Amino acid sequence: AQSVAQPEDQVNVAEGNPLTVKCTYSVSGNPYLFWYVQYPNRGLQFLLKYITGDNLVKGSYGFEAEFNKSQTSFHLKKPSALVSDSALYFCAVRDRGTDKLIFGTGTRLQVFP
Amino acid sequence: NAGVTQTPKFQVLKTGQSMTLQCAQDMNHNSMYWYRQDPGMGLRLIYYSASEGTTDKGEVPNGYNVSRLNKREFSLRLESAAPSQTSVYFCASREGALSSYEQYFGPGTRLTVT
Repeated sequence: AQSVAQPEDQVNVAEGNPLTVKCTYSVSGNPYLFWYVQYPNRGLQFLLKYITGDNLVKGSYGFEAEFNKSQTSFHLKKPSALVSDSALYFCAVRDRGTDKLIFGTGTRLQVFP
Repeated sequence: NAGVTQTPKFQVLKTGQSMTLQCAQDMNHNSMYWYRQDPGMGLRLIYYSASEGTTDKGEVPNGYNVSRLNKREFSLRLESAAPSQTSVYFCASREGALSSYEQYFGPGTRLTVT
């Protein structure tokens, strides 16, 4: 069965420092991977996706993600964190053969001034 | 272009009461979804509709029913609410084209069952 894991419940980083939010996946075949962000009391917003092609995917708000097939990972990164990046981040994978997404449990990112 | 809208934003129910959560999208999307979000559990799919006139169970369908009223609207009904259904409910939609797998979410309904 398809699944994603987000091993960290919370990530703390100082403003201006690089940030990484980790995601690993388990799928059969080629994965379709996604990152979403949720700000307080809001719905999820799509950040970026990997379907095929370059392993480094660029998305909204300066975020990017690196697809690593050998490590079955799809970590979210940003070179310089902002306080406004503080939010809940979800990794997701397409359930193979369907149009459903399977979400991880989420990682709370806290960026300190 | 409002995207995905949900009503109500907040609701408090007593155990055994019923209610319907409304969702509408104005993006002409084919697929629509209902999720619940609980702390530490991420988002879990309740029901989805791949196209107008079709609905399918997701991961946690028990205690819920859905109606895909037309292409725009997808409602979620709780026939007899239970405290375990206290959660935040999100509706989402997707274009349905083979290359568009990302989903677009509404702002959510926060439901408390006492």
